[in-house]
Amino acid sequence: AQSVTQLDSQVPVFEEAPVELRCNYSSSVSVYLFWYVQYPNQGLQLLLKYLSGSTLVKGINGFEAEFNKSQTSFHLRKPSVHISDTAEYFCAVSDSGGYQKVTFGTGTKLQVIP
Amino acid sequence: DTGVSQDPRHKITKRGQNVTFRCDPISEHNRLYWYRQTLGQGPEFLTYFQNEAQLEKSRLLSDRFSAERPKGSFSTLEIQRTEQGDSAMYLCASSFPRTADGYTFGSGTRLTVV
Repeated sequence: AQSVTQLDSQVPVFEEAPVELRCNYSSSVSVYLFWYVQYPNQGLQLLLKYLSGSTLVKGINGFEAEFNKSQTSFHLRKPSVHISDTAEYFCAVSDSGGYQKVTFGTGTKLQVIP
Repeated sequence: DTGVSQDPRHKITKRGQNVTFRCDPISEHNRLYWYRQTLGQGPEFLTYFQNEAQLEKSRLLSDRFSAERPKGSFSTLEIQRTEQGDSAMYLCASSFPRTADGYTFGSGTRLTVV
């Protein structure tokens, strides 16, 4: 079974500043990793995913994430945040066999301060 | 395709009543998932279908919960004899069989049990 840990429940950051949201995973097999974003009263939307290959993956809205196998991490970054990035961000994992369900972390609320 | 649709968006019910939610997935997707999300938590897996077959059900799911996908298209989730602890956002998602493409989520049904 896989699990995900998001250490930061809330991250406040000033507008136009950089941000990093941390995610660590646990698995005994190879994994796929995902970041989803959830705006208030909405479902989750896929931001980006790591399947294989390049460890730096780029997603929508200027976000990127880096897969680090030795540290079992998949941190999400954005060089300059905007007010509209205020949302909750979920890291998620599934095994790379790809037929199993996705397991989500507890989420990190990103609050962008004007 | 308009994405994953869930109905209703909001449901308020009295404790002890039965409720039923509906999910219409993306037509090309043959996998359908139900998750539950409580305040401050990530989505928690409930069950999933491949076509009309229910392939996995969470051990956390009590016997009061039942889900169906009779023709491999839309799905219903029924909760019998609702309890206050059932208050949550119920999320539906769909995907192709391999999770590599990620899930497409609906906007969810928010259940409040009073």
